[in-house]
Amino acid sequence: AQSVTQLDSHVSVSEGTPVLLRCNYSSSYSPSLFWYVQHPNKGLQLLLKYTSAATLVKGINGFEAEFKKSETSFHLTKPSAHMSDAAEYFCVVSRYGGSQGNLIFGKGTKLSVKP
Amino acid sequence: NAGVTQTPKFRILKIGQSMTLQCTQDMNHNYMYWYRQDPGMGLKLIYYSVGAGITDKGEVPNGYNVSRSTTEDFPLRLELAAPSQTSVYFCASSIRTGGNGELFFGEGSRLTVL
Repeated sequence: AQSVTQLDSHVSVSEGTPVLLRCNYSSSYSPSLFWYVQHPNKGLQLLLKYTSAATLVKGINGFEAEFKKSETSFHLTKPSAHMSDAAEYFCVVSRYGGSQGNLIFGKGTKLSVKP
Repeated sequence: NAGVTQTPKFRILKIGQSMTLQCTQDMNHNYMYWYRQDPGMGLKLIYYSVGAGITDKGEVPNGYNVSRSTTEDFPLRLELAAPSQTSVYFCASSIRTGGNGELFFGEGSRLTVL
């Protein structure tokens, strides 16, 4: 069965410093992996996705993530945090078979950015 | 660019009441989904649809019903509301199945059952 674990429920950084949001996954096959962002009182928006092409994936707003099969990880990074990055971030893995298009969401990591 | 539109944004229900959350999309997407989001729990799939006239249960369907009479609309019906249904509900749509394509989300409907 597929699963996803976000290792931190809350991360706090200062503006201009690097961001690291950690995600581990479990899958019996080669998965598709996603990061979504949710700003306060808004719906979720896709940041980036991995679908078995390049292992380093670039997304919107300067974010990127690296798929590491040996570590079953898909951590999200950004070199320099901006105040507008404050939001909740969800790591997502696709569920193969069963319900079509079913995605498994992590519990989320809330990112705070201090001035 | 409307995208996915949900109404209402906020609603308070009494135990035992019923209501319908409306969802419409203008992107001609075949796939539509209803999720609920509870604090610290991520999103859970309630129901989904792969096209007009076709719906199926997700992970947490109990207490809910859906219909898909058109490509654009995917309403979620709550029958006999219970406090456990207090949550934020998100409608989403996609061109392809969620595992391969991007989901487009509405802004959510916050429901409180008292």
